[in-house]
Amino acid sequence: AQSVTQLDSQVPVFEEAPVELRCNYSSSVSVYLFWYVQYPNQGLQLLLKYLSGSTLVKGINGFEAEFNKSQTSFHLRKPSVHISDTAEYFCAAAGTYKYIFGTGTRLKVLA
Amino acid sequence: EAGVAQSPRYKIIEKRQSVAFWCNPISGHATLYWYQQILGQGPKLLIQFQNNGVVDDSQLPKDRFSAERLKGVDSTLKIQPAKLEDSAVYLCASSLGTGLFTGELFFGEGSRLTVL
Repeated sequence: AQSVTQLDSQVPVFEEAPVELRCNYSSSVSVYLFWYVQYPNQGLQLLLKYLSGSTLVKGINGFEAEFNKSQTSFHLRKPSVHISDTAEYFCAAAGTYKYIFGTGTRLKVLA
Repeated sequence: EAGVAQSPRYKIIEKRQSVAFWCNPISGHATLYWYQQILGQGPKLLIQFQNNGVVDDSQLPKDRFSAERLKGVDSTLKIQPAKLEDSAVYLCASSLGTGLFTGELFFGEGSRLTVL
């Protein structure tokens, strides 16, 4: 069975500080991994994706993530956050016909 | 390029009433998904169509929920009768391909349902 675990439900961080949002997945088959962001009252927007190749992937708005197969992780990082990064972040894994989402991490950037 | 369109954005109904949500995917996208997102949770897949065929509806409560995708383009999700626990945001998403992996998902803004 396929599953996605986001270990932190909320992450408060001060503006211009670095942040890491954690994501672990389990799957018996190869998966493709994604991070989506959701701003209030909006749908989900793709931040970045790992399909194959380099394990370090860069996305929009200065975010990046690293695929670690041995630790089955796909953590999202940003070296310096802005107030505008305040949102809900979802990790997702796509396998055989299925897209599975984690429960989300609410990033709150403090002034 | 136009994105995924959904309507209505907001709907308030009383329990036991019915409601319908409409979704128009990005032009040319073969696969369409309906997700239910309850407050504080991640999206949960209700049904997935590839063209006008159902690929996965294992988590669709078929006693009250129904969905169709006529002609493989737009789709309608219906709830009848609604229960209090159906209060959620219903997200429609589409992706370009078909098969085991259909590509990245593009989401609409969602339809927020409140059942009183």
